[in-house]
Amino acid sequence: LAKTTQPISMDSYEGQEVNITCSHNNIATNDYITWYQQFPSQGPRFIIQGYKTKVTNEVASLFIPADRKSSTLSLPRVSLSDTAVYYCLVGPTYSGAGSYQLTFGKGTKLSVIP
Amino acid sequence: GAGVSQSPRYKVAKRGQDVALRCDPISGHVSLFWYQQALGQGPEFLTYFQNEAQLDKSGLPSDRFFAERPEGSVSTLKIQRTQQEDSAVYLCASSLSGVTSEQYFGPGTRLTVT
Repeated sequence: LAKTTQPISMDSYEGQEVNITCSHNNIATNDYITWYQQFPSQGPRFIIQGYKTKVTNEVASLFIPADRKSSTLSLPRVSLSDTAVYYCLVGPTYSGAGSYQLTFGKGTKLSVIP
Repeated sequence: GAGVSQSPRYKVAKRGQDVALRCDPISGHVSLFWYQQALGQGPEFLTYFQNEAQLDKSGLPSDRFFAERPEGSVSTLKIQRTQQEDSAVYLCASSLSGVTSEQYFGPGTRLTVT
């Protein structure tokens, strides 16, 4: 089971770059790393997904070192609207017996300060 | 186009009552997921469907929880004889194909058992 560990909370000023790291020491060969953003009273929203090296889209970058035991979500120039909880999801790890073990961590609460 | 919808958005049940929570996924999405999210925690996986087949139900906490997707579209999560510990937000997500695809989440149903 690829358990994930993230910082509980982070603060950042508007306009700064924010990096949130997720540790997943037991990641399996077939696991992907996916990040989601969640605002209060809403369901999570997909941000980015990667397997190795670096992935970039219009909102974020995802850095994954060669050993894949951690990953870093990078949000460029955050604004107040980026205040949310960010979850790192590692998987799926098919364990056999019909279990894909999709496991979200506890998330990182990002607070952007004006 | 419409996203994932869930109904009801809020449900209050007396302990011991049965409840049924509905999820309407994005049209054409093959995969459907149910998660349970307690206050301040990340989503906990409950079950996964591919079309009408329930491929993973390893996360269902007890035999009081039952999910179905009989025609490969709408899904219902049923909880029998509700207990206070069932109080949580129940999230539904759908994806175009498979467990590695981007998941689109609904707004959730907040269940309160009194």
